[in-house]
Amino acid sequence: QKEVEQDPGPLSVPEGAIVSLNCTYSNSAFQYFMWYRQYSRKGPELLMYTYSSGNKEDGRFTAQVDKSSKYISLFIRDSQPSDSATYLCAMTTTSGTYKYIFGTGTRLKVLA
Amino acid sequence: DSGVTQTPKHLITATGQRVTLRCSPRSGDLSVYWYQQSLDQGLQFLIQYYNGEERAKGNILERFSAQQFPDLHSELNLSSLELGDSALYFCASSGGWGAAPFTDTQYFGPGTRLTVL
Repeated sequence: QKEVEQDPGPLSVPEGAIVSLNCTYSNSAFQYFMWYRQYSRKGPELLMYTYSSGNKEDGRFTAQVDKSSKYISLFIRDSQPSDSATYLCAMTTTSGTYKYIFGTGTRLKVLA
Repeated sequence: DSGVTQTPKHLITATGQRVTLRCSPRSGDLSVYWYQQSLDQGLQFLIQYYNGEERAKGNILERFSAQQFPDLHSELNLSSLELGDSALYFCASSGGWGAAPFTDTQYFGPGTRLTVL
């Protein structure tokens, strides 16, 4: 079983929809949770990160972490065709032997 | 353009060979990270250097090694290549260490596509 699981999609939504992307994980030592966006043929770019449990908002993006359920989410409001990309979750430990693990990514397509 | 450069863009080689991938970080960035992205394994963190010293290690095989030079550029050496090493190799750079490991905003280069035949 992988330490981080992410539905690969693809996920197709109409423009303006609210998108929910999710990851589950098994290692309770993960403390920081990140979301990256990767456009085709480009390197990933960090969208936001969250420490421990809670929510964080940045513009149209909201990241949620539920450590009790080992479940993280990224919500995109008012989705745009320019949001079409692969979204990768990642998480890291903060002590001992550092672990930095990515999910496999979810392909999102926002239809105009 | 992220400001991170990687050479070469494409590399085709045979099994058993050795190759060197090169990365120049953004001006002023002290941290360099190496990643491997393949269809079956996804994106995997390999190794990080900070100002010439190894800072963190991920799923880097013993056949692979890296270093960061005094001018801060970095090289990733892959030896005894196998078919399964075919992948896109990304280098990223960041200013430092961030609030915690890997939370510093990393700027990714365009990648080197390695094909092992």
